[in-house]
Amino acid sequence: DGGITQSPKYLFRKEGQNVTLSCEQNLNHDAMYWYRQDPGQGLRLIYYSQIVNDFQKGDIAEGYSVSREKKESFPLTVTSAQKNPTAFYLCASSIVQTGSTTSYEQYFGPGTRLTVT
Amino acid sequence: SQKIEQNSEALNIQEGKTATLTCNYTNYSPAYLQWYRQDPGRGPVFLLLIRENEKEKRKERLKVTFDTTLKQSLFHITASQPADSATYLCALRGSARQLTFGSGTQLTVLP
Repeated sequence: DGGITQSPKYLFRKEGQNVTLSCEQNLNHDAMYWYRQDPGQGLRLIYYSQIVNDFQKGDIAEGYSVSREKKESFPLTVTSAQKNPTAFYLCASSIVQTGSTTSYEQYFGPGTRLTVT
Repeated sequence: SQKIEQNSEALNIQEGKTATLTCNYTNYSPAYLQWYRQDPGRGPVFLLLIRENEKEKRKERLKVTFDTTLKQSLFHITASQPADSATYLCALRGSARQLTFGSGTQLTVLP
């Protein structure tokens, strides 16, 4: 089955600890994304990558880091610098958007709910 | 600044009726708009994409309209069923060429 997997589904950490969220896809998509969702809010883009070994900051990148060493994998690290890390984190992938008039749907993973106390 | 508004946080309708959800945007010139469905605790699932030169798009019981003059998209579910209960998100590609999502409308279809 093709798709995106995120692990774990629930994650608990103590304040001050870094934590890494996993995201793997076998859709052969070049582009991958990380979003954060808080209650009553839409998805906010943290980081995205359109090719291996390259990634760009989204709207709320502060306190987060990513790597893209393989096409299939795009792990997100929530660092201790992130002031409000408790949230629902979603990973997505798509075909690379080229030009101003192209658009492809994003395929989302099941999400990881991170709770930091 | 660019803004996407889905005008009601929650919408309750009776089974069999048509649900209409609204997505308004400001300071965008989108070439297209997307709609997603999200169930509680799960990732969004793509439903429909409509381009700026398309006035209407249909898929089974779903219909989307796109009015670039009004800067608005309407999302309709006809003959609604309790299984249609979910949060529906609209999304636009912004100036950074990445999708920006609205906060969603939570639809509840009452049996």
